[in-house]
Amino acid sequence: GENVEQHPSTLSVQEGDSAVIKCTYSDSASNYFPWYKQELGKRPQLIIDIRSNVGEKKDQRIAVTLNKTAKHFSLHITETQPEDSAVYFCAASMSGNSGYALNFGKGTSLLVTP
Amino acid sequence: DTGVSQNPRHKITKRGQNVTFRCDPISEHNRLYWYRQTLGQGPEFLTYFQNEAQLEKSRLLSDRFSAERPKGSFSTLEIQRTEQGDSAMYLCASSLVRSSYNSPLHFGNGTRLTVT
Repeated sequence: GENVEQHPSTLSVQEGDSAVIKCTYSDSASNYFPWYKQELGKRPQLIIDIRSNVGEKKDQRIAVTLNKTAKHFSLHITETQPEDSAVYFCAASMSGNSGYALNFGKGTSLLVTP
Repeated sequence: DTGVSQNPRHKITKRGQNVTFRCDPISEHNRLYWYRQTLGQGPEFLTYFQNEAQLEKSRLLSDRFSAERPKGSFSTLEIQRTEQGDSAMYLCASSLVRSSYNSPLHFGNGTRLTVT
C-alpha cells in the first residue's frame, strides 16, 4: 500500500523566514497530494493541494511542488507569521479500492517565533 | 454551519463497553470516510462509503470496529468491547466524487474517545 514519509517532524523558524516541509510517497499510481493544517484540538483543514498533472501550485504565501519522477512533494511557506504555527500533514491519495481516501504523513510541528 | 458534524465531541467509557459515534457529512457529498488519529500521528484511514455502500473496510482495525451509512446520509462508527488502545480521536470526512471531479476531503472536529 501507499507509504508517505514526512520531514522534518519539527521545524522552528523566525517570523518572516520561509519554511519548507518535504514528503515522499511510494505508490506511483497516487495522483492527488493535499496539505492539511491542524491547530491544537481542531480539525485538519486543507490549505493547498496539487494533482499529478501539475508541477507547482501557489496560493499567496503558500506553494506546493511535485516531482513525480522522484515521488516527492514539498510545501513552502514564505513570510511566515506566528499564526502559521500548527501541525502540517501531507497526504497522497490511495489508488485501488480506497476510493481516493488519503494516506497521511506523520506531520510536521511548525513553530514560528516572533 | 454546513461543514462535517460529529457527535459526541468527547466520550469517556470503561474498558469492555460499546461506543457509537455519529457523523453528518456535508449534505451534497456522496463519499464519507472514517479515520483514527492518535497523539503525534497523522490520520489513519479506516473505511469509506460511496452513498450507502461501504466499499472498503479491510483497514478497520479489528472485527470490533464496524460502520454503517444506512440511508447514504449520516454514518455511525461502533466499537465493541472497547480496549484502552482504542483511545484516540476519531475523525470523519466527506467529499464529492463525480466522473470527472473529485473534491477535497473536508474533516469534522472529531470525537475524542478515552477508554479507562
